[in-house]
Amino acid sequence: EVQLVQSGAEVKKPGESLKISCKGSGYSFTSYWIGWVRQMPGKGLEWMGIIYPGDSDTRYSPSFQGQVTISADKSISTAYLQWSSLKASDTAMYYCARVVEYQLLGFHNWFDPWGQGTLVTVSS
Amino acid sequence: QSVLTQPPSVSAAPGQKVTISCSGSSSNIGNNYVSWYQQLPGTAPKLLIYDNNKRPSGIPDRFSGSKSGTSATLGITGLQTGDEADYYCGTWDSSLSAGSYVFGTGTKVTVL
Repeated sequence: EVQLVQSGAEVKKPGESLKISCKGSGYSFTSYWIGWVRQMPGKGLEWMGIIYPGDSDTRYSPSFQGQVTISADKSISTAYLQWSSLKASDTAMYYCARVVEYQLLGFHNWFDPWGQGTLVTVSS
Repeated sequence: QSVLTQPPSVSAAPGQKVTISCSGSSSNIGNNYVSWYQQLPGTAPKLLIYDNNKRPSGIPDRFSGSKSGTSATLGITGLQTGDEADYYCGTWDSSLSAGSYVFGTGTKVTVL
């Protein structure tokens, strides 16, 4: 079974750093992109960026470029999302998902499966 | 603010049909493939439709997708109480140099 398991909920103070994880199993981790998606309380889904663990090729949404860092350790089939200085506005649920992506007469992209989510709360 | 517009909510009685629209432009839906996701309350999103109209294994044929021009549509027939959820469309947007994946604004389905 293809599965993504994320690290547990975090409570942090503004200015602190944080790294959350997403461990893949049941498939070749280096052969698929991993994407990160933010969902703020009561709001919709926002694409943050993706990484290809095979060669660490990374792309960011313009909205998140410079605000977070996406990385991966293929030796342990784990992707990461990290912040160097959290803000209260980073409070949200964060999901990782395996991404199928290729170009053939247009872009084909879909997210499947998804991790269970990691709730990040930033409060003083 | 998303570049893909969905109605905030749709509703119908059990057994009826609902359709959810997803409106975009030539830089996204018009030239790329659309996927749809279902998010049940308190859970992670789940893939329902990919490549405009294909269903992953395990997704019932009550769910269908279509695309025409710069709009896409998700249809749900034989509505069940378990279908109450938020639904999102998504596709690649090429309007910026590097491109970006975008999700729709989301639609809440209520079973009356």
